[in-house]
Amino acid sequence: AQTVTQSQPEMSVQEAETVTLSCTYDTSESDYYLFWYKQPPSRQMILVIRQEAYKQQNATENRFSVNFQKAAKSFSLKISDSQLGDAAMYFCAPGSQGNLIFGKGTKLSVKP
Amino acid sequence: DAGVTQSPTHLIKTRGQQVTLRCSPISGHKSVSWYQQVLGQGPQFIFQYYEKEERGRGNFPDRFSARQFPNYSSELNVNALLLGDSALYLCASSRIAGQFTDTQYFGPGTRLTVL
Repeated sequence: AQTVTQSQPEMSVQEAETVTLSCTYDTSESDYYLFWYKQPPSRQMILVIRQEAYKQQNATENRFSVNFQKAAKSFSLKISDSQLGDAAMYFCAPGSQGNLIFGKGTKLSVKP
Repeated sequence: DAGVTQSPTHLIKTRGQQVTLRCSPISGHKSVSWYQQVLGQGPQFIFQYYEKEERGRGNFPDRFSARQFPNYSSELNVNALLLGDSALYLCASSRIAGQFTDTQYFGPGTRLTVL
């Protein structure tokens, strides 16, 4: 069974600074995707970034980037130039065979 | 384009009752997945449907069932409600459901409270 570990229940960052959220996972699948989703208090789960496991190049999306280490099964999210609107729960989710496996999440606070 | 929509937004039921939750996918998306998110936890996969057929099922009891209609909308049914079924139920749609997970886009969820 796939498992996902997000070891930081809460993180805090100063506005305009950089923060990295960690995620490790365990899977027996050879091909899969990895996602980071953001869930603000409004509850809507919003896609932040996606990484194909077969690609060595780390995905980037504006201020968001990942550090994907396939052998170590690590998939961290870096948020640069943090903004107040980045405050939310962040979930790491590897997926294959049609379903996503979510971690318990990291609550990110952004201080003005 | 409209995103994934879910109804109702909130629902209060008592133990033993039955509930039906509804989801409409993004236009052009043929796959719908359901997740249960208990307070303080990440979502847990319940079902995936593609082209009206069940493509995947999570570790949930038979009290949970779902179906997908010809227009790709979907319903999740939960019978004999228990207090532990209180959760946010999320629906997600994607274009396909194949060997590799296509990106799933989530709706706003239905908050179910069982008293």
